[in-house]
Amino acid sequence: QITLKESGPTLVKPTQTLTLTCTFSGFSLTATGVGVGWFRQPPGKALEWLGLIYWDDDNRYSPSLRSRLTFTKDTSKNQVVLTMTNMDPADTGTYYCAHSGVWQSYRFSDYWGPGTPVSVSS
Amino acid sequence: DIQMTQSPSSLSASVGDKVTITCRASESISNYLNWYQQKPGEAPKLLIYAATRLQSGVSLRFSGDGSGTDFTLTISGLQPDDFATYYCQQCYRNPRTFGQGTKVEIK
Repeated sequence: QITLKESGPTLVKPTQTLTLTCTFSGFSLTATGVGVGWFRQPPGKALEWLGLIYWDDDNRYSPSLRSRLTFTKDTSKNQVVLTMTNMDPADTGTYYCAHSGVWQSYRFSDYWGPGTPVSVSS
Repeated sequence: DIQMTQSPSSLSASVGDKVTITCRASESISNYLNWYQQKPGEAPKLLIYAATRLQSGVSLRFSGDGSGTDFTLTISGLQPDDFATYYCQQCYRNPRTFGQGTKVEIK
C-alpha cells in the first residue's frame, strides 16, 4: 500500500526559504522508473505542477520556479524534500506530493499525500 | 508552456444525468492526458490516464476520450459522490500543466 504525507511549516515570512518533507511508504525511490511529483494549489484556484524527482536524480522543475526550487531525496528515510527560496505571499497555498505512476511511456500521479497548507505572511 | 483549457468552468446537474467535460490543449499532446477529481479539502484523485485508460478502482461511470488537442471526460449516471471539481493535465511536455478545473454542482 502506497502512502505519502507532507510536513513542514504552515507559516513562513516573505523572503524566507520553505522546506517541505514528503515521507512515503510502499515504494522505493531507488527502483528504476520511480518518481515523486510536487504540486501546489492556491486557495480556491487550480492545481499547479511544480516538478518531479526521479529515482536517478534526473529532476524536472517548472520553468517559472526553476531558480527557486530544489528537490532532494533521502532514500534511507523514504523522504523527498522540497526547498523553495525567496517565498512570496503569492506562494500561499496547499502543497502536495504524489507518487508518479507509469504505464508504457505515460506518467500520472496515482497516489497523493493529503497536502500541507503554507501561508506566506509577515 | 502548453495551455490546457477546460469547458465549462462549472455546471449544474442532477443525479442520474450524463455529464461531459471538455479539455483542449494549445498544441497536440497525442494522448498524454490525465483526469483528476478533487473534493473540497481533499487531495486530487486520479481517474483516467493516457486519455482513455481507467485507473484501477475507479467507477466505470467515468470514461475518457480524445487525442491530439481535444479531450472529453464523461460521467454516465451522475451519483452524489461525483459532485466535485475535475481537472485535466497534460503529461506530454514539462511543465505538466493543468486545466483551470470544472466544478460539477448539484442542480
